Amino acid sequence: GENVEQHPSTLSVQEGDSAVIKCTYSDSASNYFPWYKQELGKRPQLIIDIRSNVGEKKDQRIAVTLNKTAKHFSLHITETQPEDSAVYFCAASMENYGQNFVFGPGTRLSVLP
Amino acid sequence: ETGVTQSPTHLIKTRGQQVTLRCSSQSGHNTVSWYQQALGQGPQFIFQYYREEENGRGNFPPRFSGLQFPNYSSELNVNALELDDSALYLCASSWDYLRETQYFGPGTRLLVL
Repeated sequence: GENVEQHPSTLSVQEGDSAVIKCTYSDSASNYFPWYKQELGKRPQLIIDIRSNVGEKKDQRIAVTLNKTAKHFSLHITETQPEDSAVYFCAASMENYGQNFVFGPGTRLSVLP
Repeated sequence: ETGVTQSPTHLIKTRGQQVTLRCSSQSGHNTVSWYQQALGQGPQFIFQYYREEENGRGNFPPRFSGLQFPNYSSELNVNALELDDSALYLCASSWDYLRETQYFGPGTRLLVL
C-alpha cells in the first residue's frame, strides 16, 4: 500500500521568511496530493491540492510542486505570518479509484514574530 | 467554514464498552470517509461510504463498523473499546468518491479509560 513520509517534523521560521515542507510517496499510481492545515483543536482544512497532470500550483502565498519521477511533492509558504503557525499534513490518493487518503505524519510550523 | 458536522464533540468511555459517533455530510455530498487521528499523528483511514455502501476500508479490525443513511449522514461504531482507541475521530465528506477533495468535520475526541 501507499506510504507517505513528511519532513521536517517541526519547523520554525521568522515572520516574513519562507517555509518548505517535503513529502515523499511510494505508490506511483497515486495521482492526487492535497495539503491540509490543522490548527490546535480544530479540523484539518484543505489549503491547496495538486493532481499529477501538473507540476506546480500556486495560490497567493502558497504553492505546491510535484515531481512524479522522484515521487515527491512540496509545500512552499512565502512571506510567512504568525497565523500560518499550525500542523501541516500532506496526503496521497488515487483519484478515480475511490481510495482513501494516506496522510503523512505532519509538520508543526511555528512562525516567530 | 465547511458544512460537515459531528457529534458528540467529546466522549469518555471505559474499556469493553461500545460507542457510536455521528457525522452529517456537507449538503450535496454523497461520500463520507472516517479517520482516526491519534495524538501527534496524521489521520488514518478507517473506511469510506458511498451511497450507503462501504467503498473501501483501511487496516482496522471488524469491531470498527459503520453505516451511511439515505440522507448521506453516517455513523461510526466501535465495539469492545480498547485504550488505544483513544483518539480524535474525523469524518470527511466529498461530492463523490471519484472527486477526491474532502472536507473535514470538527471531530469527536474519544477517551477510553
